Amino acid sequence: KNEVEQSPQNLTAQEGEFITINCSYSVGISALHWLQQHPGGGIVSLFMLSSGKKKHGRLIATINIQEKHSSLHITASHPRDSAVYICAVPVYGGSQGNLIFGKGTKLSVKP
Amino acid sequence: NAGVTQTPKFRVLKTGQSMTLLCAQDMNHEYMYWYRQDPGMGLRLIHYSVGEGTTAKGEVPDGYNVSRLKKQNFLLGLESAAPSQTSVYFCASSYGIAGGATQYFGPGTRLTVL
Repeated sequence: KNEVEQSPQNLTAQEGEFITINCSYSVGISALHWLQQHPGGGIVSLFMLSSGKKKHGRLIATINIQEKHSSLHITASHPRDSAVYICAVPVYGGSQGNLIFGKGTKLSVKP
Repeated sequence: NAGVTQTPKFRVLKTGQSMTLLCAQDMNHEYMYWYRQDPGMGLRLIHYSVGEGTTAKGEVPDGYNVSRLKKQNFLLGLESAAPSQTSVYFCASSYGIAGGATQYFGPGTRLTVL
């Protein structure tokens, strides 16, 4: 059964800084998910990736399948990026089955 | 499209009372999920459904029941609420199985059991 670890748990940055959030998992997977939970509580999916890198605006997600590790980067951070970022992977590794979620990284970007 | 909606948004119950949370999606998704989120813990799966008329247990199913009589609706029931069920509940749906498909989340229901 997979286990997910995120780091750091909390992160405070100044506006404009480059942000990196890390996610490690224990069982090989077919895809990894990054989600964002807004301060108001809503959860949205940011990325689903199985290899390499994906980019959406100022957000970049990378994954290293061999290392069982993924990173979420935010370039030119802005206070509106303040949120909890959550990593999730399939419970048993493959594309079948449900997801297991990390505890999240709480990001606060100060103006 | 409304996406995934949840009813109600907030609820306060007394121990032993019952209630039903309603989740509705208008994306014609086959798969639907109920999660709970507690402070310091990741989202945990309560029950899920892989299609109309089907349900299955997740990681923390005890004390909850579910039904999926219509494809677009997934109901979560608490028969006899306990303080340990105080939590924020999220419903989600996807077109494919969780590991390989994006999940779309509802806005959440904050439940307090006194």
